[in-house]
Amino acid sequence: GNSVTQMEGPVTLSEEAFLTINCTYTATGYPSLFWYVQYPGEGLQLLLKATKADDKGSNKGFEATYRKETTSFHLEKGSVQVSDSAVYFCALSASNAGGTSYGKLTFGQGTILTVHP
Amino acid sequence: DADVTQTPRNRITKTGKRIMLECSQTKGHDRMYWYRQDPGLGLRLIYYSFDVKDINKGEISDGYSVSRQAQAKFSLSLESAIPNQTALYFCATSTSGEETQYFGPGTRLLVL
Repeated sequence: GNSVTQMEGPVTLSEEAFLTINCTYTATGYPSLFWYVQYPGEGLQLLLKATKADDKGSNKGFEATYRKETTSFHLEKGSVQVSDSAVYFCALSASNAGGTSYGKLTFGQGTILTVHP
Repeated sequence: DADVTQTPRNRITKTGKRIMLECSQTKGHDRMYWYRQDPGLGLRLIYYSFDVKDINKGEISDGYSVSRQAQAKFSLSLESAIPNQTALYFCATSTSGEETQYFGPGTRLLVL
């Protein structure tokens, strides 16, 4: 079956530090990969996505590259801000060989990020 | 106004009670989902619906039921609540052909 594994948290950084949150996956078919972010007291919102191997998703200074050879989709940001404090979820949506999505997301366990001034 | 709304936002109930959580969306999406979030476990899919007449069990459907009253409304029921159903519940929507899901703000449920 499909699964997503994220690095253990919580992660605590100082403002302007470099961030990496590791994500690896196991999937049948041809998955699309996502990072969602959950700010305190809110629902999840899409941060970035990549739909095929070697694609790079980017948004708000965050980046992640779809690495099929290592089945990874690590999230990076060069300089974090206090406002980036949130829970980050890696997820996948599996598709068949024809590229048709099965329409369901499989999530990792989430990584809590706290950024101090 | 929010595109995906959930009511109530917080609920405390007792073991054995029946409760319903409601989700409404104005995005015009045909697909809707219910997830629960537990610390350290991420989000797990309870039920999903690709159309008003198409409802499917997710990975943890035991103890839950759903109703898709209209394209815009998808309700989750706990027939007889138990303490291990204490969690944060999220509704989400998507459209066929688009994998991105859009989440509501969540309902925090405490079962005593």
